[in-house]
Amino acid sequence: YVLTQPPSVSVAPGKTARITCGGDNVATQRVHWYQQKAGQAPVLLIYDDSDSASGISERFSGSSSENTATLAIRRVEAGDEATYFCQVWDSSSIHVIFGGGTKLTVL
Amino acid sequence: QVQLVESGGGVVQPGGSLRLSCDTSGFTFSTSGMHWVRQAPGKGLEWVAFIRYDGSYKHYADSMEGRFTVSRDNSRNKLFLQLRSLRAEDTAVFYCAKGEILRFIESWGQGTLVIVSS
Repeated sequence: YVLTQPPSVSVAPGKTARITCGGDNVATQRVHWYQQKAGQAPVLLIYDDSDSASGISERFSGSSSENTATLAIRRVEAGDEATYFCQVWDSSSIHVIFGGGTKLTVL
Repeated sequence: QVQLVESGGGVVQPGGSLRLSCDTSGFTFSTSGMHWVRQAPGKGLEWVAFIRYDGSYKHYADSMEGRFTVSRDNSRNKLFLQLRSLRAEDTAVFYCAKGEILRFIESWGQGTLVIVSS
């Protein structure tokens, strides 16, 4: 199973960034999102498509439809610059699958 | 709060072995599933292995099965990853992470760097 993310997304401060995660019938999977800032470990942002992890800003939200899951970041701030990864479990192989990651640049 | 602290990384020659450890605290380790995930320099995340809370079930990424072995010591709240027959392409930061099978990864350690080089 393959998850496809755009390598990079750029957005101006205060705008909304949308990061996509494409996969075959991904809407039937539980999609999870992680944020990784430079030199740091990943942090869970969103789990089960749209539930926010503890302590995560309400500016972060997730959704999923058909073949695309989306992470939206509203009112983007400079501190949101990071690489964002989506993740599912491949139910046939019982393997954890990560998307390739999307580097968010705040202009 | 959950704390995961990896150790054991370093420089090893191709074909060599290394044992990584993860010290855990802040949660009930003996009832928690655990993962190893790695990240090559400048690359994305790659899942390595999962072990069930009691060690009775282990699962590996295809490219690592047979070379890597995950284990745990619930009496000492420690997770391990034995690396064998290491190759240059195994060079990566290895993260210890807490999460259940078929669920999300809820916590990550800071990682330990393994460099395979002659």
